[in-house]
Amino acid sequence: DAGVIQSPRHEVTEMGQEVTLRCKPISGHDYLFWYRQTMMRGLELLIYFNNNVPIDDSGMPEDRFSAKMPNASFSTLKIQPSEPRDSAVYFCASSQTSGGRETQYFGPGTRLLVL
Amino acid sequence: AQKVTQAQTEISVVEKEDVTLDCVYETRDTTYYLFWYKQPPSGELVFLIRRNSFDEQNEISGRYSWNFQKSTSSFNFTITASQVVDSAVYFCALSEARRRYSTLTFGKGTMLLVSP
Repeated sequence: DAGVIQSPRHEVTEMGQEVTLRCKPISGHDYLFWYRQTMMRGLELLIYFNNNVPIDDSGMPEDRFSAKMPNASFSTLKIQPSEPRDSAVYFCASSQTSGGRETQYFGPGTRLLVL
Repeated sequence: AQKVTQAQTEISVVEKEDVTLDCVYETRDTTYYLFWYKQPPSGELVFLIRRNSFDEQNEISGRYSWNFQKSTSSFNFTITASQVVDSAVYFCALSEARRRYSTLTFGKGTMLLVSP
C-alpha cells in the first residue's frame, strides 16, 4: 500500500515567493496533519483536518500560512509570502481516527529552503 | 497539559553494544497512548510502536524492546546489539485518548550514533 505522499521533496525559493506544499494521505484515513520540523523548535503541529474540515489551526505561525483540503485525497499548505525563517522540513501525516488511538503515519517530508 | 521528556540529547555507542533511550511523560489522563518514531539520516519519520496506558506488558520485536512503567511514567526503548543502521534520531510521543480530538506531543528526540 502507498504511504503518505508529499511533493515536492525539496524546494528552494527566494524570499517573497509563494510556496505550495502538497500531500496525499493514505487512502481511508480521515485525519490529516501538517507538521513543521526545525532544529530550534523540534516538531510542531501546524494544523489538522478531519474529513476535510480544519479542526485546529492554532499552530499556524502567521497569516502567511494557509492550508486546504479540498477532498479526502489531497491537501495543500501554502506560504505567501515566504521568508527565510520558514526554512524547515514540513511533514504531512495521516491517521484513521483521532482521539489519540490511532497511529499517525508520516510522509517523507518537504525540505524547504527560503533564500 | 501533556509533556514528553527525552533527557538524552545524544548517545554514542559502538556496534553490538546495547543502548536504552529514555522517555518520561506527563499527563492527567488515565487513558493515553505512547509512541516511538525513528528518523534516520534520510529524514523520514518511521513509526515503531504504539502502546496504550492499560497495557504494561513489555514488548519485544527483534532487537528492539520497550519497557512501559506507569509507576514512573516512563516508556523506555532498548536496542540490543546495536548496528550502524540504527543510527537515527528517535522520538517518543504521547497522545491523550479521552477527548474526541487529540494530538501527538513529541519529545525533543534522542540522536543515536552507532559507530563500527
